[in-house]
Amino acid sequence: SSELTQDPAVSVALGQTVRITCQGDSLRTFYANWYQQKPGQAPVLVIFRKNNRPSGIPDRFSGSSSGNTASLTITGAQAEDEADYYCNYRDSSVNHYVFGSGTRVTVL
Amino acid sequence: QVRLVESGGGVVQPGRSLRLSCAASGFTFSNYGMHWVRQAPGKGLEWVALMWYDASNNFYTDSVRGRFTISRDNSKNTLYLHMRSLRAEDTAVYYCAREGHSNNGMDVWGQGTTVTVSS
Repeated sequence: SSELTQDPAVSVALGQTVRITCQGDSLRTFYANWYQQKPGQAPVLVIFRKNNRPSGIPDRFSGSSSGNTASLTITGAQAEDEADYYCNYRDSSVNHYVFGSGTRVTVL
Repeated sequence: QVRLVESGGGVVQPGRSLRLSCAASGFTFSNYGMHWVRQAPGKGLEWVALMWYDASNNFYTDSVRGRFTISRDNSKNTLYLHMRSLRAEDTAVYYCAREGHSNNGMDVWGQGTTVTVSS
């Protein structure tokens, strides 16, 4: 299983768009999921299998993928979107799961 | 509602053992694979272990294989993590999480239980 690399931190102005990226060779083969974690809280799944939103997740969250990079885009960021975001994938060949290092999103 | 509640965390000396539990409710527990994921203080998420819905298979991250054992009791809707030979680097918040159908991510998480390994 290969590692996933994320930028440590990004900032976005309120109402603007931010894209969070996740790089890893395994993403050429396996889908990425994305999780949001607010301070002191458990993670929440926001995107699964590259570009699907669980019920209850606002449609301002979207996912995409190209080559070895998966992306989570927040279109019209809100104050409540300030959180850490983690990508992950399942390596089905060995049934191992890998998380990215996480990106802290600050909404200005 | 769908809920996972972890328990069993605490302070333990290096080399000792601890068993965590995760009680599930609001869904058919026996239909889902279940994970343990941990987060060391100030660090990111780390996948620890997975057990299939019917307990027929389990998988571990390399750093815990041979020391940790994941198990489940579907009659009690409970997932377990038996941790042995604990090390300082096992100090973390331990979350249980449900594997969504068709590998659709970890779609339900508990609130976590804290394990501190210290002398």
